[in-house]
Amino acid sequence: ETGVTQSPTHLIKTRGQQVTLRCSSQSGHNTVSWYQQALGQGPQFIFQYYREEENGRGNFPPRFSGLQFPNYSSELNVNALELDDSALYLCASSGPGQGAYEQYFGPGTRLTVT
Amino acid sequence: GDSVTQMEGPVTLSEEAFLTINCTYTATGYPSLFWYVQYPGEGLQLLLKATKADDKGSNKGFEATYRKETTSFHLEKGSVQVSDSAVYFCALGSGANSKLTFGKGITLSVRP
Repeated sequence: ETGVTQSPTHLIKTRGQQVTLRCSSQSGHNTVSWYQQALGQGPQFIFQYYREEENGRGNFPPRFSGLQFPNYSSELNVNALELDDSALYLCASSGPGQGAYEQYFGPGTRLTVT
Repeated sequence: GDSVTQMEGPVTLSEEAFLTINCTYTATGYPSLFWYVQYPGEGLQLLLKATKADDKGSNKGFEATYRKETTSFHLEKGSVQVSDSAVYFCALGSGANSKLTFGKGITLSVRP
């Protein structure tokens, strides 16, 4: 059973550019959540996808968007990058049959915006 | 809205010392409570959880009890090891979409 994987590991972008981050959920998991972790802070909930539909969103602007595919993998897209978007982006998956809210995290993508 | 408050860090202990990391929360309804750990260079790992009042979560010698009356979920370990050095996050799960709300995290360093 493979765990949650994310790509790329690191990314450097320039302010104003767009970025796409990818996540493969753990086998059997149909729900993917994305979190932003700024340096020295706890992760902040961006949004969640369940069966290819957005299923809740945190306090992030519309330039943060996502997709979930039929195989339950997911993408996080960020447009018009700002310096404050520099952070570790974490993907977490969960699935049927687990305890409520039990989420399994990937290693993250470190995004640096210059 | 929901929030989690963790004690300020960092914390430095000698091996075999007793550990307590405080966590309090604010939430509507009846959230589930979690401790996650982040080892250097690794992703977040679920350490333990409790889903209702008075439940005790435990794993790897760590324990935490869901205290509804004090809205707390303090993490304890009787004897820490160097390998316990990591960042510890308290979190609550709530809402229909199961989103997690995290505290700021606290860095624990255990010296030999």
